[in-house]
Amino acid sequence: GENVEQHPSTLSVQEGDSAVIKCTYSDSASNYFPWYKQELGKRPQLIIDIRSNVGEKKDQRIAVTLNKTAKHFSLHITETQPEDSAVYFCAASSGEAGNMLTFGGGTRLMVKP
Amino acid sequence: DAGITQSPRHKVTETGTPVTLRCHQTENHRYMYWYRQDPGHGLRLIHYSYGVKDTDKGEVSDGYSVSRSKTEDFLLTLESATSSQTSVYFCAISSGTGTEKLFFGSGTQLSVL
Repeated sequence: GENVEQHPSTLSVQEGDSAVIKCTYSDSASNYFPWYKQELGKRPQLIIDIRSNVGEKKDQRIAVTLNKTAKHFSLHITETQPEDSAVYFCAASSGEAGNMLTFGGGTRLMVKP
Repeated sequence: DAGITQSPRHKVTETGTPVTLRCHQTENHRYMYWYRQDPGHGLRLIHYSYGVKDTDKGEVSDGYSVSRSKTEDFLLTLESATSSQTSVYFCAISSGTGTEKLFFGSGTQLSVL
């Protein structure tokens, strides 16, 4: 089945700096790659997603890039703010009909004021 | 909570007892999912459903069973709870097709003593 590796497991940045989180996946048939943000004690929430026919997608301060050949994708957050502090999860679709999402282990991002 | 509720929110039980967690949606979505969240493992899929009475296993299904007798309800049962099943359990529904745009419930903290 699909295997998703996520790095780093923790990331500390200064407010205003950029943050990058990277994920690799194993199943070349995966075609959907979402990112979720989970604040402490809350539910995971979708923040951005990308399909395999697109190389990059942006939404204000966040962007995701995808390299299908290398089977890796990344989340970029620019001009980080304290409210960006959370755990971020990448995921890749899997299963014959793409009915399952396999998640990475998560990255705890801390933005220091 | 935007169409999905989990019950109970917290439960403490003893090893060997049966436990049932309930997920209820008001969105009439076809796909429903049960995940467990453990430190360092991200979110792992237990079972999912793609319609009434239509369910399938995820990557960590051993020791769990599910049922979906109505579109709105997806039940997760631990037939004989073990300490390794202590975890936070999240139900999710999909507003897209399959795994797209997952929306998670608030979670159930289960402790098996």
